[in-house]
Amino acid sequence: QQPVQSPQAVILREGEDAVINCSSSKALYSVHWYRQKHGEAPVFLMILLKGGEQKGHEKISASFNEKKQQSSLYLTASQLSYSGTYFCGTAMIYNNNDMRFGAGTRLTVKP
Amino acid sequence: NAGVTQTPKFQVLKTGQSMTLQCAQDMNHNSMYWYRQDPGMGLRLIYYSASEGTTDKGEVPNGYNVSRLNKREFSLRLESAAPSQTSVYFCASRALSPGRPRNTEAFFGQGTRLTVV
Repeated sequence: QQPVQSPQAVILREGEDAVINCSSSKALYSVHWYRQKHGEAPVFLMILLKGGEQKGHEKISASFNEKKQQSSLYLTASQLSYSGTYFCGTAMIYNNNDMRFGAGTRLTVKP
Repeated sequence: NAGVTQTPKFQVLKTGQSMTLQCAQDMNHNSMYWYRQDPGMGLRLIYYSASEGTTDKGEVPNGYNVSRLNKREFSLRLESAAPSQTSVYFCASRALSPGRPRNTEAFFGQGTRLTVV
C-alpha cells in the first residue's frame, strides 16, 4: 500500500522547474507532500483532498487526479533551499488514519 | 510549543536487548504514528493509533509492540532487538476526529537514531 514516487532523484540548476509524481493502487482520500532536509524531520508542504480542496505552500503547487489516484508536485523557479528529499503521503478513503509514505525523491538544486 | 517530542535521540543496543522509544505530543491530536526510515525505503509505517486505547498495525509491525498510554503519549517497544531494526524512527501526530476537518497534516518528532550491533 506504499505509494510509488518518481523519479527517485532530480538534479536542477537554480531557476529550473521540476515535477515529482506519486501514485497509489488504492482509492485515496488525501495526498500529503513533505520535504525533509538531511538529518531533520519531514516538514509539511501541502495537502490535496478528494474533491479538489488543497492548501499549502506559496511557491509550490500540486495536483490530484482522483480517477487515476495520482498526484504531482510542481516546483517552479527552484531555489537552493528547495534541495532535500520529497515524500508523498497517502491516506485511504476507507481509513483516513492509515497514512503511508513513498520512498522519496531526492532533489538537488545547484547554483 | 514543543510539538512532538521523542526520546532518546540516539541509542545503541546489542542484539537481543530490549528498549522503549518514547513519544509525546502537546497538540491534543488524536492520531499518532511510528515510522521507520531506511535509505531508499522512505518512511514505512510500523504502527498507528487513531485514539487513546486503540492501535493498529502498519506495513512493518513484526518485532515491535506499541502502547498508547494516554492521548499525549505513544511508545514503541523492541522486545529483542535485531540488526535489521537499525534505523531512524520517527513519531508523528495528526488531528483527526469526528467534527473536525479531516484534512490535517502530520507533525513529526526529530527522530531516534537506533543502531543494533
